[in-house]
Amino acid sequence: QVQLVQSGPEMKKPGASVKVSCKTSGYIFTNYGVSWVRQAPGQRPEWLGWINGNDYRTKVAERFQDRVTMTTDKFTSTAYLEVRDLRPADTAVYYCGRDEGDGAWFDPWGQGTLVTVSS
Amino acid sequence: DIQMTQSPSTLSSSIGDTVTITCRASQSISYWLAWYQQKPGKAPKILIAKASSLQSGVPSRFSGSGSGTEFTLTISSLQPDDLATYYCQQYITYPLTFGGGTKVEIK
Repeated sequence: QVQLVQSGPEMKKPGASVKVSCKTSGYIFTNYGVSWVRQAPGQRPEWLGWINGNDYRTKVAERFQDRVTMTTDKFTSTAYLEVRDLRPADTAVYYCGRDEGDGAWFDPWGQGTLVTVSS
Repeated sequence: DIQMTQSPSTLSSSIGDTVTITCRASQSISYWLAWYQQKPGKAPKILIAKASSLQSGVPSRFSGSGSGTEFTLTISSLQPDDLATYYCQQYITYPLTFGGGTKVEIK
């Protein structure tokens, strides 16, 4: 079955960077993209961006363009999200999701990675 | 950015009731709308895409309708397993945006 398994929780200080991985299985990685979504406690989900699983094209939400990088490794069917210059407001659960288009809807989602930013 | 507004923010209904959740977009999104169910501590799960297309494995008591700026998610015959928060999401344009959620409680 299709699965996305994310890396474990992270605790970071303000100004640091974090890299979250999303290992996929059960489907042809290069046939789909991966979107990244974060959800702060008690808040609505917030889309960060999308990466194509085959040709590395990305679309990053404008408000994150200077701090977020999305990459993939086709050989291990893994997607990565890096967020730089972390702030306490970046504390959230970060999810990856198999994207059914070029930024569309997501099915399924990974289990989530809690990133806590605190001094 | 397209703003997505859901109502109500919370609703409490009895088992067997029919429940309707509304999602409004700040501009027309045609039928490019998805609905998700999120249970506490879990990732969202897709229910409906393209406004009314029920996804594989989702119980038929869930249905979606609407186009343009107004959409509804209906749960007919509410079940205990439906306790969750429901989100709508538009995908006609970047950035993709989500509604504020509707928490469904069982009376």
